[in-house]
Order: sequence, then structure tokens, then C-alpha cells
Amino acid sequence: GENVEQHPSTLSVQEGDSAVIKCTYSDSASNYFPWYKQELGKRPQLIIDIRSNVGEKKDQRIAVTLNKTAKHFSLHITETQPEDSAVYFCAASNAGNMLTFGGGTRLMVKP
Amino acid sequence: NAGVTQTPKFQVLKTGQSMTLQCAQDMNHEYMSWYRQDPGMGLRLIHYSVGAGITDQGEVPNGYNVSRSTTEDFPLRLLSAAPSQTSVYFCASSYGGTNTEAFFGQGTRLTVV
Repeated sequence: GENVEQHPSTLSVQEGDSAVIKCTYSDSASNYFPWYKQELGKRPQLIIDIRSNVGEKKDQRIAVTLNKTAKHFSLHITETQPEDSAVYFCAASNAGNMLTFGGGTRLMVKP
Repeated sequence: NAGVTQTPKFQVLKTGQSMTLQCAQDMNHEYMSWYRQDPGMGLRLIHYSVGAGITDQGEVPNGYNVSRSTTEDFPLRLLSAAPSQTSVYFCASSYGGTNTEAFFGQGTRLTVV
């Protein structure tokens, strides 16, 4: 089955700096890669996703890049704000299978 | 639309007790799934369903049963609770397979003593 590794497990940045979280996956058939944000005590919520026919996608301060050859994808958050502090999860799936999640990254943005 | 609704929000069980976690969605989604979330381990898939009458096992199915008699409901049954099942449980649904956004319920925090 699919295996998703996520790094780092914790990340601390100054407000205004950029944050990068990286994930690798094992199943070359995976073709959908979402990122979820989970605030303390809340449910995970989708913030951005990318499909395997796209190399990069951007939504305001958030961007995701995908390298199918190397089987890794990354989340980039620019101009970080305190409200970006949360746990972020990457995931991977292919048609017919459920999402396999990485272990999560706790992002702390210091004012 | 209420989205995905889970009940209860909190539950304490004694070892050996059984119970059912409820999950309902009102978005007419075909795919539904159950995950457990333990510290440092992300979300791990327990069971999933691709439509009414169809269920399959995920990564950590032991000790849990599911059924899908309607499109809306996907209950998770703990057969004989063990302390290792102490976790936060999330139900999720998506429209048409996994290549679309998964919507999560608010979670059930279960403690087995």
C-alpha cells in the first residue's frame, strides 16, 4: 500500500517568514495530493490540493509543488501569520483508494 | 447543509464494553471513511465505503466493524473496547472517489479505561 512520509514534524518560524513542509510517497499510481490544516481541537480542513497532471498550484500565500519523478510534494506558505499556526497534514491517494496521510507538521509562527 | 455529523463528541468506556460511533452526512457523498488520530501518527484509515452496501478494510481495521445500509450513514462499532483504542476518531466523506475533497466530521474523543 501507499506510505507517506512528512518532514519536519515541528517547524517554528518568525511572522513574515516562509514555511516549507515536504512529503514523499511510495506508490507511483497515486495521483491526488491534498494538504489539510488542523487547528487545536478542530477537524482537518482542506487548504489546497494538486493532481498529478499539474506541477505547481498557488492560492494566495499558499503553494504546492509536485515532483512525480522523485515522488515528493511540498507545501509553501509565504508571509506567515500567527493564524497559520496549526498542524498540517499531507496525503496521497489514487482512484479507488482512500487517503493515506503523513504524520503531520506542527507549525508555530512567532509574532 | 450540516455536512458530516459525528456523535458523540466525547465518550469514556470500560475495557470490554462495546459501542457505536455514529456518522451521518447530508451531501449525498458516495465515499465515506473512518480514521483514528493518535499523537505523532497522523490519521490512519480504519474502514471505508464506496457506496451503500460496500465496505472495505483500511490500514488498522482490527477491533472495529462497519456497515453502510444507506448513503447517509456509516456507523463504526467497537466490539470489545481496549485501552489501545483510546484515540480521536474522525469520519469523512467525499463526492466521487478520492480525487475530490474529503470533508471531516468534528471528531469523537474516545477514552478506554
